[in-house]
Amino acid sequence: DQQVKQNSPSLSVQEGRISILNCDYTNSMFDYFLWYKKYPAEGPTFLISISSIKDKNEDGRFTVFLNKSAKHLSLHIVPSQPGDSAVYFCAASPLGGANNLFFGTGTRLTVIP
Amino acid sequence: DTEVTQTPKHLVMGMTNKKSLKCEQHMGHRAMYWYKQKAKKPPELMFVYSYEKLSINESVPSRFSPECPNSSLLNLHLHALQPEDSALYLCASSPMITGGAGNTIYFGEGSWLTVV
Repeated sequence: DQQVKQNSPSLSVQEGRISILNCDYTNSMFDYFLWYKKYPAEGPTFLISISSIKDKNEDGRFTVFLNKSAKHLSLHIVPSQPGDSAVYFCAASPLGGANNLFFGTGTRLTVIP
Repeated sequence: DTEVTQTPKHLVMGMTNKKSLKCEQHMGHRAMYWYKQKAKKPPELMFVYSYEKLSINESVPSRFSPECPNSSLLNLHLHALQPEDSALYLCASSPMITGGAGNTIYFGEGSWLTVV
């Protein structure tokens, strides 16, 4: 049962434009949401996170939006750069209990120069 | 500094070999993890250590044996593996074991394991 879903396996964006990566979840106990970026043959790199008490968190070119009522979050990258080309995983962590991350299946972003 | 270091980066082993993967973090984190990742799949949790004690074992076969010698080190001992165990093995750490805001899990670069 996939509790975190990324329905777009791939996304192509022109350099300088906005990239929007989407993520949906089903478990209302998720309290903390994270985005990781992964290059081939490397481990996931933490990018940005958001707590369930917020609806937006911004860090430089990266902004994460959370819509709790819709159980939806999105990652905006603006402006997109060729170095952003990677697989992006959305992950969620439940409140309390063990810190087990529930991952989406990833979206491969390609930024075209 | 959010660095988790893993060695070796690549390992090829036969099905009768015994080898170990090593992981180190110096962030003062009290929770450490082993994940397994296959190509084009998300990471899957294997083990979680909290304060050097094994807290979670996700029904991992006994041919994988974790060890936490101290709060900074985590090992994964491998014995009698199968070719289907070939994958990227990721070590990770977080400040605490409990889920929730601020308790970010940081991953190492991974160890690529090939079982022949």
